[in-house]
Amino acid sequence: KQEVTQIPAALSVPEGENLVLNCSFTDSAIYNLQWFRQDPGKGLTSLLLIQSSQREQTSGRLNASLDKSSGRSTLYIAASQPGDSATYLCAVKGTYKYIFGTGTRLKVLA
Amino acid sequence: GAVVSQHPSRVICKSGTSVKIECRSLDFQATTMFWYRQFPKKSLMLMATSNEGSKATYEQGVEKDKFLINHASLTLSTLTVTSAHPEDSSFYICSASQGTFGTDTQYFGPGTRLTVL
Repeated sequence: KQEVTQIPAALSVPEGENLVLNCSFTDSAIYNLQWFRQDPGKGLTSLLLIQSSQREQTSGRLNASLDKSSGRSTLYIAASQPGDSATYLCAVKGTYKYIFGTGTRLKVLA
Repeated sequence: GAVVSQHPSRVICKSGTSVKIECRSLDFQATTMFWYRQFPKKSLMLMATSNEGSKATYEQGVEKDKFLINHASLTLSTLTVTSAHPEDSSFYICSASQGTFGTDTQYFGPGTRLTVL
């Protein structure tokens, strides 16, 4: 049974810092992994999607990596800004459904 | 492209009433749609998978008579919470995929916040 864990559960950093969010999963048989952003009381915004054959994806200040063999993914946020404050969820896709982690709650202080 | 909408975004209802939530794929045909539920401070959990024209497949522990899912067209799926109770209050999110097997990318809707008084 796939389990997805995100560490840390919460993170508070000063503006401008580079930071790394971690996601680990127990079953490496995945089709893809996706990172989402969720603002309080809002839905999901897809940030990056990494297919199982890929090692990383980049979008602006975001870079996500995937190491299937070790069951890990990281989301790197460069030069963090207060607007980056949100909960970040990773989700791995098996045969048909996504299994979500519990998220990392990020607060970037101005 | 690949936009999924949900309506309403927020709904408050009295205990015992039924509530319908719509999920629409705006610019693609969604052969498969998924309904997720998010409990406060917890992760999203898949409730059911529906394929257009077929009965939904429910995950273990999800009451199919309580959460009625209809996927009557390739762009619309509905979730009806019947005889809602306060414990049904949650954030419901749908996603849609063009494929039937589910290996296609799933596009997520913005979610519906249900509050049952």
